[in-house]
Amino acid sequence: EDQVTQSPEALRLQEGESSSLNCSYTVSGLRGLFWYRQDPGKGPEFLFTLYSAGEEKEKERLKATLTKKESFLHITAPKPEDSATYLCAVPGRSARQLTFGSGTQLTVLP
Amino acid sequence: KAGVTQTPRYLIKTRGQQVTLSCSPISGHRSVSWYQQTPGQGLQFLFEYFSETQRNKGNFPGRFSGRQFSNSRSEMNVSTLELGDSALYLCASSWGLAGASTDTQYFGPGTRLTVL
Repeated sequence: EDQVTQSPEALRLQEGESSSLNCSYTVSGLRGLFWYRQDPGKGPEFLFTLYSAGEEKEKERLKATLTKKESFLHITAPKPEDSATYLCAVPGRSARQLTFGSGTQLTVLP
Repeated sequence: KAGVTQTPRYLIKTRGQQVTLSCSPISGHRSVSWYQQTPGQGLQFLFEYFSETQRNKGNFPGRFSGRQFSNSRSEMNVSTLELGDSALYLCASSWGLAGASTDTQYFGPGTRLTVL
């Protein structure tokens, strides 16, 4: 059974204080890993798809990386508007059956 | 390009009732998946529809069902509601690429269901 574990559960940063979120996974043959951002009361917003170990993708202050066992979401010089819950997910037996981690709730203080 | 839309956004029901939620996918997307999100269990896959057929189903009781129409719009139904069914129900659409190992899903805003 696919398992996805995210850490830490919650993270508080000062504005401008860079950090990383972790997503470790146990799957039989990784076919991709997704990162989403979710604001309170809203649906998850797609950020990145990573397909193979060594791959990196960037978007504004966010950079996602992938190894054979885990993925990191690096946040450089975060701003308060980056506050959200960040979710990672892997596809299961269907490309559209995602197993999600429990998320990291990020708070960036001004 | 319009995103995924879900109606209604909020719903309050009592135990034993049934409910129907609706989802309109992004134009051109042919696959619709449904997820349940609760504070205790997080996001859990309910089922996936493509070409009006259920392709996969998560580990939920038979009270949870769904269907997809020829225009790719989808509905999910929950019968005999229980208190534990209170959750945010999310619909996600994707292209539905045949044989794809990954297929990016885009989520709607969700329907917040409260069961009293």
